[in-house]
Amino acid sequence: EIVLTQSPATVSLSPGERVTLSCRASQSVTNYLAWYQQKPGQAPRLLIYDASNRATGIPARFSGSGSGTDFTLTISSLEPEDFAVYYCQQRGSLPRTFGQGTKVEIK
Amino acid sequence: EVQLLESGGGLVQPGGSLRLSCTASGFTFINYGMAWVRQAPGKGLEWVSSIGDTDYKTYYTDSVKGRFTISRDNSKNKIYLQLSSLRVDDAAVYFCARLLNGFYNDWGQGTLVTVSS
Repeated sequence: EIVLTQSPATVSLSPGERVTLSCRASQSVTNYLAWYQQKPGQAPRLLIYDASNRATGIPARFSGSGSGTDFTLTISSLEPEDFAVYYCQQRGSLPRTFGQGTKVEIK
Repeated sequence: EVQLLESGGGLVQPGGSLRLSCTASGFTFINYGMAWVRQAPGKGLEWVSSIGDTDYKTYYTDSVKGRFTISRDNSKNKIYLQLSSLRVDDAAVYFCARLLNGFYNDWGQGTLVTVSS
């Protein structure tokens, strides 16, 4: 099973700031990695797939990069609606696995 | 607009059974694989099971193999998850999701399964 480790666990920032979240895989997933956003009481929302492709309707301030085992999600300028938990997920092999999540909270 | 609506959750005793349903609309159902993903209270996301579009091929995470069964009815635009031999650690919100490019592109709002005596 591929283990995805996200860091940091929590980050405290102000609106307008830039944030970079990390996801490290225990073995290569090539570029088969996605990022999701989840707000309390809501279903997750797909942001990025195949490491760097924005899903439909996702604003350009969200970007993804990386390949192999190291990936990042960057939000260029935080909007109030971006404070949430972010998960990475791989489809490189079965079982599909998620990272434990990074909470982006308001400072 | 893609819509996924889960139902069938509830309170069940350990060892009991439950069948979850997910009704899809807003897209050509037969063209897409589908999946179930769960989230225990206050915890992260866990993939549970997936089913192919027309090949009906099924996949499961190890902890539910032999206890859960995923199926689909393309004539009704539904997928199902039969949960058997339920354990306390199966308690979670179960989300139905549509697969696109191999990832979970659309999600339902989830149905809560509580396992308790």
